[in-house]
Amino acid sequence: KAGVTQTPRYLIKTRGQQVTLSCSPISGHRSVSWYQQTPGQGLQFLFEYFSETQRNKGNFPGRFSGRQFSNSRSEMNVSTLELGDSALYLCASSLVIWGEGTEAFFGQGTRLTVV
Amino acid sequence: QQQVKQSPQSLIVQKGGISIINCAYENTAFDYFPWYQQFPGKGPALLIAIRPDVSEKKEGRFTISFNKSAKQFSLHIMDSQPGDSATYFCAASGLEDDKIIFGKGTRLHILP
Repeated sequence: KAGVTQTPRYLIKTRGQQVTLSCSPISGHRSVSWYQQTPGQGLQFLFEYFSETQRNKGNFPGRFSGRQFSNSRSEMNVSTLELGDSALYLCASSLVIWGEGTEAFFGQGTRLTVV
Repeated sequence: QQQVKQSPQSLIVQKGGISIINCAYENTAFDYFPWYQQFPGKGPALLIAIRPDVSEKKEGRFTISFNKSAKQFSLHIMDSQPGDSATYFCAASGLEDDKIIFGKGTRLHILP
């Protein structure tokens, strides 16, 4: 069974640009959550999608957005990149909504560097 | 209300020793407490999880102790091995707000 696939693995962008990250969940999983991981702040929740609907959103500015497609694949977009957006972006997939105690599986992440 | 406080930030333990990582939460609506283990270059992986209806859960060398009245839970790694060297995250979630909130992580290093 294939795991969670995130593409690309590494990305270097310039301030002011925008970026789109992709996450393919485990087959059959309908929930995808996105997290930003930085050394100082740990894992910060961005948003969760379930059956193409955003279920929950963290405290990030509107420059961070996401969507989920009918095949459960998800994308997140960051517009007008800032240096502080440099981080590891992780997505996690679960069978149902993660907060209901079901196990979630993380991808390896996309390392975004903003210069 | 939504925070999960984790300590220590880093921990060094001799091989064969016991590693202990502590977490505290504030939101009494939390009812699911997982621990995740992350190796460099990898995403976090679920290690063990507990619900508040039990005070302890053991899986191999890993044990979660849960104190509902104190709103604290901890991870104990018995007979710690160099392969256990990783970053550990505690987390919490509840049905009323179903996102998972993570602690800031503990970097564990086991000396050979």
